[in-house]
Amino acid sequence: GEEVAQTPKHLVRGEGQKAKLYCAPIKGHSYVFWYQQVLKNEFKFLISFQNENVFDETGMPKERFSAKCLPNSPCSLEIQATKLEDSAVYFCASSHDREPNYGYTFGSGTRLTVV
Amino acid sequence: GEDVEQSLFLSVREGDSSVINCTYTDSSSTYLYWYKQEPGAGLQLLTYIFSNMDMKQDQRLTVLLNKKDKHLSLRIADTQTGDSAIYFCAEIRGANNLFFGTGTRLTVIP
Repeated sequence: GEEVAQTPKHLVRGEGQKAKLYCAPIKGHSYVFWYQQVLKNEFKFLISFQNENVFDETGMPKERFSAKCLPNSPCSLEIQATKLEDSAVYFCASSHDREPNYGYTFGSGTRLTVV
Repeated sequence: GEDVEQSLFLSVREGDSSVINCTYTDSSSTYLYWYKQEPGAGLQLLTYIFSNMDMKQDQRLTVLLNKKDKHLSLRIADTQTGDSAIYFCAEIRGANNLFFGTGTRLTVIP
């Protein structure tokens, strides 16, 4: 399809529980990016993939966060043992080319609330 | 510093022009972008400018780039209530990752 589909739209987890977020990039796009938007609208880059390979993971917290993009499956972002500060909106974006001449196409986000 | 800076808020009257400013950090950025985020939605690419350009016009949008001062601006002509949103400038850093500014919340007063 022509949109980046993120599921679920909302996710509520108790502190210490696992959270798993999904992203289906636009068909034909080989790059996938995950961003975290916290309070005050700040966007933090987490990780990017080129097909199923990690391209850049410099933004990923070393512990508790992991991500995958497997063939024929939506990409996923998993947070083990969630903490209150993980509450944020997580956006996925996809891109056809490494040079983002036309920018990335963003999904509508998954709002994670940790209580 | 490392931040891409923007003013947090801007209010304009419907029909007036809006100018949103951004100061970026990486002088080697090849492309600079403006994104729009409406409430509860993702980011929508509005326009972009290549670093060898000073100006780009696209319908009601005009982007000005001052590379010497690392200053980027977005002018919206004839601002409408539907333009109310948060506007982010973005530059490329590292392995072609977008790095966003702090966002400017534009409120259009009818």
